[in-house]
Amino acid sequence: DVKVTQSSRYLVKRTGEKVFLECVQDMDHENMFWYRQDPGLGLRLIYFSYDVKMKEKGDIPEGYSVSREKKERFSLILESASTNQTSMYLCASSWGPLRGRNSPLHFGNGTRLTVT
Amino acid sequence: SQQGEEDPQALSIQEGENATMNCSYKTSINNLQWYRQNSGRGLVHLILIRSNEREKHSGRLRVTLDTSKKSSSLLITASRAADTASYFCATEGGVRGGFKTIFGAGTRLFVKA
Repeated sequence: DVKVTQSSRYLVKRTGEKVFLECVQDMDHENMFWYRQDPGLGLRLIYFSYDVKMKEKGDIPEGYSVSREKKERFSLILESASTNQTSMYLCASSWGPLRGRNSPLHFGNGTRLTVT
Repeated sequence: SQQGEEDPQALSIQEGENATMNCSYKTSINNLQWYRQNSGRGLVHLILIRSNEREKHSGRLRVTLDTSKKSSSLLITASRAADTASYFCATEGGVRGGFKTIFGAGTRLFVKA
């Protein structure tokens, strides 16, 4: 079974802090994604990556950056946390096009971040 | 921009009844997926239907896809209290060899025992 692990279940940070959210998958997936989930808005794509050291902006990248130094790990960075970044953050992974076109996403359990 | 939009936003039914949720999307897709989310947890993949397929079944789930109308429906037959969850549709369109999967806002299903 695919396992996507997010390092923290709950996180409380102060405004202006630099925040790192870590995600690790154990299935050698090429694609990795970061979403945020807010009530009434569903999941919105922040960034995704289809290979090591590659990244693509999603729909709401402002205020975030990402890092993918190793295939299994995809980190989301909040350079200077703000209260409007309080949200549930979900990481996901999937096969890339060469090994599994039409591959579903496998999600972690999420990190609920509160910025005060 | 949200690609998938679910309808209804919320649905409350009795155990044993069927539940139908609809999804509409805007642009061409490679596939459409349905996910389930229990409260406070991550999403779990239920079923994927490719753009050249019209109907797919998995246990008590039936998914249809109408690419001419850019819409899909998820039917859960003989619902159970354990089916209570939020259900999301997601569409995938290939981007430069990678994949961008966009989700709708979801339908909250409540099944009363």
